[in-house]
Amino acid sequence: AQSVTQLDSQVPVFEEAPVELRCNYSSSVSVYLFWYVQYPNQGLQLLLKYLSGSTLVKGINGFEAEFNKSQTSFHLRKPSVHISDTAEYFCAGGGTSYGKLTFGQGTILTVHP
Amino acid sequence: DTEVTQTPKHLVMGMTNKKSLKCEQHMGHRAMYWYKQKAKKPPELMFVYSYEKLSINESVPSRFSPECPNSSLLNLHLHALQPEDSALYLCASSQDPQPLGTDTQYFGPGTRLTVL
Repeated sequence: AQSVTQLDSQVPVFEEAPVELRCNYSSSVSVYLFWYVQYPNQGLQLLLKYLSGSTLVKGINGFEAEFNKSQTSFHLRKPSVHISDTAEYFCAGGGTSYGKLTFGQGTILTVHP
Repeated sequence: DTEVTQTPKHLVMGMTNKKSLKCEQHMGHRAMYWYKQKAKKPPELMFVYSYEKLSINESVPSRFSPECPNSSLLNLHLHALQPEDSALYLCASSQDPQPLGTDTQYFGPGTRLTVL
């Protein structure tokens, strides 16, 4: 069975600093991975996804993620964060069943001025 | 238009009430989803509709009853709920149901439900 683990429940960072949000997966089937962001009192918005091909995936709002098969990781990075990036970030995996995403527990990113 | 709309934004109901949540999309998507999200937790899949037919029911109690009247609309009928059903209910849609879950899901803002 597939599982997705987000290693940090909370990540505080100062504005304009780089950030990495960690995600590890385990799967014995095809791997399709997503990062979603949820701003307070809102639904989820797709940041980026990996289905196949280049292991470096670029998304919206300056985020990127690297798929690393040997380390079973899909970490999310941004070189310089803004206050507006404060939100909860979810890593999710597909590849098992129609429409079913396996979500990690989420990482709350707080950007301080 | 990449928007999924949900009404109402907030709902307070008693345990004996019957209410419905509504979700709408006009992107021509053929898959629609209901999720439940408790505070500080990830979304949990409840139901998946594919081409207006129920394709996945994640062992959800019968007090939750989904309905897909047409390809743009998804309802969730609520009856005899319990206080522990209080949560954010999210609707999502995707273009074409993919067997391996590769399709991007577009989420609505959710309905915040409180059961007294």
